[in-house]
Amino acid sequence: DAKTTQPPSMDCAEGRAANLPCNHSTISGNEYVYWYRQIHSQGPQYIIHGLKNNETNEMASLIITEDRKSSTLILPHATLRDTAVYYCIVRVANTNAGKSTFGDGTTLTVKP
Amino acid sequence: DVKVTQSSRYLVKRTGEKVFLECVQDMDHENMFWYRQDPGLGLRLIYFSYDVKMKEKGDIPEGYSVSREKKERFSLILESASTNQTSMYLCASSPLRTGRYNSPLHFGNGTRLTVT
Repeated sequence: DAKTTQPPSMDCAEGRAANLPCNHSTISGNEYVYWYRQIHSQGPQYIIHGLKNNETNEMASLIITEDRKSSTLILPHATLRDTAVYYCIVRVANTNAGKSTFGDGTTLTVKP
Repeated sequence: DVKVTQSSRYLVKRTGEKVFLECVQDMDHENMFWYRQDPGLGLRLIYFSYDVKMKEKGDIPEGYSVSREKKERFSLILESASTNQTSMYLCASSPLRTGRYNSPLHFGNGTRLTVT
């Protein structure tokens, strides 16, 4: 699986958009980009994933650059409950269990 | 909604004890995983299983073993607990295929194990 690089921490004002970047310059053609978040004392929670097209769901939007070497997770209207560690990972596509490599993630702090 | 349940939220064991961490998922997922999470080290994969009685080593299998006798249950075993195994242990599951590759992982809320 490709390695990812994320900033260690970010702040965001409540109600504003939070844009979390992720670099995955060694991503291969069959690897998807996944985003998870981990709120304190809970297990990681899946947010969104994509291959090359931009994706949106009820939680967030995922923007993947055309060369697929980086992506941005967008929380359009951040709330205090969005304060968490956000993980960007890439996973190889195969028929068996993929090994997901979670780095240190980005600690997002949403401030009132 | 997928539910991954870990049997204990907090566990305190003594050095040398045999420790069992249990994980059950209710969505008939083929794949199950055990991670440990330590400050500054992120999540590290210990073992995973993609079928009953099948297992594969992850990145840090030393000192651990696993058991998958039933599809819904994946157990992590510390044969002889040591203080450096004090950590947060997270179990996860995912389906093999859902029509799209790479279904997301569904995590339990973790077991915080302290070995004294």
